[in-house]
Amino acid sequence: SQTIHQWPATLVQPVGSPLSLECTVEGTSNPNLYWYRQAAGRGLQLLFYSVGIGQISSEVPQNLSASRPQDRQFILSSKKLLLSDSGFYLCAWSVTDGGPYEQYFGPGTRLTVT
Amino acid sequence: AQSVAQPEDQVNVAEGNPLTVKCTYSVSGNPYLFWYVQYPNRGLQFLLKYITGDNLVKGSYGFEAEFNKSQTSFHLKKPSALVSDSALYFCAVTLRSGATNKLIFGTGTLLAVQP
Repeated sequence: SQTIHQWPATLVQPVGSPLSLECTVEGTSNPNLYWYRQAAGRGLQLLFYSVGIGQISSEVPQNLSASRPQDRQFILSSKKLLLSDSGFYLCAWSVTDGGPYEQYFGPGTRLTVT
Repeated sequence: AQSVAQPEDQVNVAEGNPLTVKCTYSVSGNPYLFWYVQYPNRGLQFLLKYITGDNLVKGSYGFEAEFNKSQTSFHLKKPSALVSDSALYFCAVTLRSGATNKLIFGTGTLLAVQP
């Protein structure tokens, strides 16, 4: 069966520091991968999605970037964090053949920028 | 442009009573529709989806949803609510085409089931 991991689970970082959040998927090949941010415990904002290695699409201009160095690895980064980057970050995957199909979410990373 | 509306920020229901969480959508083609549930500090869990066929879709934990094309709605229902159903519920939509499977989410409805 498929499993999605995210780490770290929680992170407290000062303003101006770098960020690296990692997401990995097991049990599937060539998934679509997604990064979301959830602010204030409610709305989900799609940040990035990827349909293959090295293929990244950005949904909104911001202080963050994403990379997909391996088929089942998706990384969210920032060179300098802002206070507004605080939130709950969720990674998700879906199958790519045919579709659209449901997305499956990881457990999330709670980021607090101080 | 695609959009999803969840008109209620919060729904309160007594345990054992039926529950309904409302969702309406706006798309330019035929939609795929989804419901997700989120417990505090957890990721979203997939509940059910409508792709085609029977308008009544059954999903996990006893939930079901009814697709109504004329009213562009996809309301989530359960015949008898449990306290453990208390959580944040999201409706989502995507079009029937597109390789990226991008979902458009509603703003969420907090379901509170009182014992």
